[in-house]
Amino acid sequence: DIQMTQSPSSLSASVGDRVTITCRASQSISSYLNWYQQKPGKAPKLLIYAASSLQSGVPSRFSGSGSGTDFTLTISSLQPDDFATYYCQQSYITRTFGQGTKVENK
Amino acid sequence: QVQLVQSGAEVKNPGASVKVSCKASGYTFTTNAIHWVRQAPGQRLEWMGWINAGNGNTKYSQKFQGRITNTRDTSATTVYMELSSLRSEDTAMYYCARDNGAAAGSMDVWGQGTTVTVSS
Repeated sequence: DIQMTQSPSSLSASVGDRVTITCRASQSISSYLNWYQQKPGKAPKLLIYAASSLQSGVPSRFSGSGSGTDFTLTISSLQPDDFATYYCQQSYITRTFGQGTKVENK
Repeated sequence: QVQLVQSGAEVKNPGASVKVSCKASGYTFTTNAIHWVRQAPGQRLEWMGWINAGNGNTKYSQKFQGRITNTRDTSATTVYMELSSLRSEDTAMYYCARDNGAAAGSMDVWGQGTTVTVSS
């Protein structure tokens, strides 16, 4: 199985901050990497697919990069609606999620 | 609009089985696979398996092999996930999600979730 490891597990940030979350795969997954946002009590929401493609309707302050084993999700200017937990997911072989990164208000 | 609507909450005894449904609407049902993902309280998302809604082919996580069965009813545009031999560790929120093969196999539409509680 492909293991996905995110860092950090949590972070504290303020509105307007630039936020970066990293995700590492245990083997190369090319660009088969997706990012989701989840708020408490809600289903996850797709933000980024294929490592860097923005899902329709998602604000442009979200961006993704990387290929192979190392990937990054960046929020260029954190907004109040962005406090949530973020998950990476590989779709190269079956599916596996990272452990999540909780973005909290500083 | 495209949506997935899941069946309601379930409470089961240890050793029992549960069957959760996921009704699709707003798109051609047989075009996309459907995944099942669960999330235990305070835990990460966990992929359980998927079913190709067109031909009925399935793939399951090794963790659930032997306990999970995914089926579909094309006339009802509904997918089902049955999990047997339930134990307390199966208490979780269960989600269905649509696979978007044109978008790197991402999950672009999610159901609202079904709570399954396993308790004696």
